[in-house]
Amino acid sequence: GAVVSQHPSRVICKSGTSVKIECRSLDFQATTMFWYRQFPKQSLMLMATSNEGSKATYEQGVEKDKFLINHASLTLSTLTVTSAHPEDSSFYICSASPPDRVSYNEQFFGPGTRLTVL
Amino acid sequence: SQKIEQNSEALNIQEGKTATLTCNYTNYSPAYLQWYRQDPGRGPVFLLLIRENEKEKRKERLKVTFDTTLKQSLFHITASQPADSATYLCALDMEYGNKLVFGAGTILRVKS
Repeated sequence: GAVVSQHPSRVICKSGTSVKIECRSLDFQATTMFWYRQFPKQSLMLMATSNEGSKATYEQGVEKDKFLINHASLTLSTLTVTSAHPEDSSFYICSASPPDRVSYNEQFFGPGTRLTVL
Repeated sequence: SQKIEQNSEALNIQEGKTATLTCNYTNYSPAYLQWYRQDPGRGPVFLLLIRENEKEKRKERLKVTFDTTLKQSLFHITASQPADSATYLCALDMEYGNKLVFGAGTILRVKS
C-alpha cells in the first residue's frame, strides 16, 4: 500500500523561530501533495496544495509568506512555518494520492507533526 | 461554500452492535464522498469512497450509503468491536480542483 511519512513527529520551538516539516511519499511518486492543519477537536483544514516543480496554491486566509512550501521532487514536499508564534501551534498533516488513485482522490495521509510554539 | 455536518457528540455503543454515523452536507453536489478513520495523534486512514451514482457500498463490516436527494451519507459498522473506537471523518470533493473538504468527525466509542 501507499505510504506517506512525515518528519519530525513532534517539535517544540520558541516563538519567532522557523520550523521545517517534511512530507515524503515512500513508495510512489506524487506530483501533488496537500498540507492540512488540525486544531483539537476540529476538522482538517486544507492549507495549501503543493505542486512539484511549481508554486504552491494556498487556500483563502493562509499566508503564503508565513507557510512556505517547497515541492522539490516527486517524493518530497516541505512546509516551513516562519517566525512561528503560539497561535501556530497545531497538528500539521500532509497527504498525497498515488497515480492509480488520483481519479477519485483517495488520499494517503502522513502520521502528522505536532508543533508546539512556546 | 460547502458545509459538512457530522454529529459533534460522541457515539457510545456496546460491542457487537451496529454503529451508524451521519454526514450531512449543503450547498454542493459532490461527485463522491469518502470516509476516513482517525486515531488520536495520527493521520486519517481512508476507508471507503462512494460515488454520486451509487446508493450503497460495502467493505467487510463497513457499509456506506449516499442519498443525494437528502444530501446525506450514513456510515455503518456492523458487529462493532472496541478496536473500532476512533474518530470517523467524512470528506467530499471541493467544487474546484482535486481537493477534499472534511467534516469535523464523530468520535465512536465501542465498549466491551
